[in-house]
Amino acid sequence: ETGVTQTPRHLVMGMTNKKSLKCEQHLGHNAMYWYKQSAKKPLELMFVYNFKEQTENNSVPSRFSPECPNSSHLFLHLHTLQPEDSALYLCASRYSGSQETQYFGPGTRLLVL
Amino acid sequence: AQSVTQPDIHITVSEGASLELRCNYSYGATPYLFWYVQSPGQGLQLLLKYFSGDTLVQGIKGFEAEFKRSQSSFNLRKPSVHWSDAAEYFCAVGPSGNTGKLIFGQGTTLQVKP
Repeated sequence: ETGVTQTPRHLVMGMTNKKSLKCEQHLGHNAMYWYKQSAKKPLELMFVYNFKEQTENNSVPSRFSPECPNSSHLFLHLHTLQPEDSALYLCASRYSGSQETQYFGPGTRLLVL
Repeated sequence: AQSVTQPDIHITVSEGASLELRCNYSYGATPYLFWYVQSPGQGLQLLLKYFSGDTLVQGIKGFEAEFKRSQSSFNLRKPSVHWSDAAEYFCAVGPSGNTGKLIFGQGTTLQVKP
């Protein structure tokens, strides 16, 4: 699925760094999601945005800060992360209808040293 | 509580053999059910989905799944597996709440032997 893109694809950062992950969807959707995928664990929903408004924060630590400037773009700002935050971060989007499918991007593989 | 269970963490099948991946769910209302596949280093690709109607759903790459309400199951099947099917498979149920979020199982890793 090439409709959802994520950059960078790989990121290595120290615990004192500040970095941002970017997601862009070219599908005309109006809802966007951040998921965290760690080894041996189910996908964890982090944030949901509908029409640029945050509608769900799944008890995510404040060192993760999302931003949704418009319906096509979603960012995840990272600062003072911990090694246990190393994971694959997936972005998804969909239309805000009950029978609409989520489409995923390729993910950003994050390593925190 | 809403949940999805994929009982098999890892499955190995021979190329050309049939495949069935199990998925059981717990959901208070009529569920929407999904199967996604994830190849190494990639995001999740939708294989198929069930919303209503015919309980046998056809998907891409020759996959199908059958919704059985009485068993709370949505098992994924393929009659003949190809080496390129080796990947991780996720079952999901939703939408949950008005955010459309999905609840995912832990995934099943499929290995294909030549």
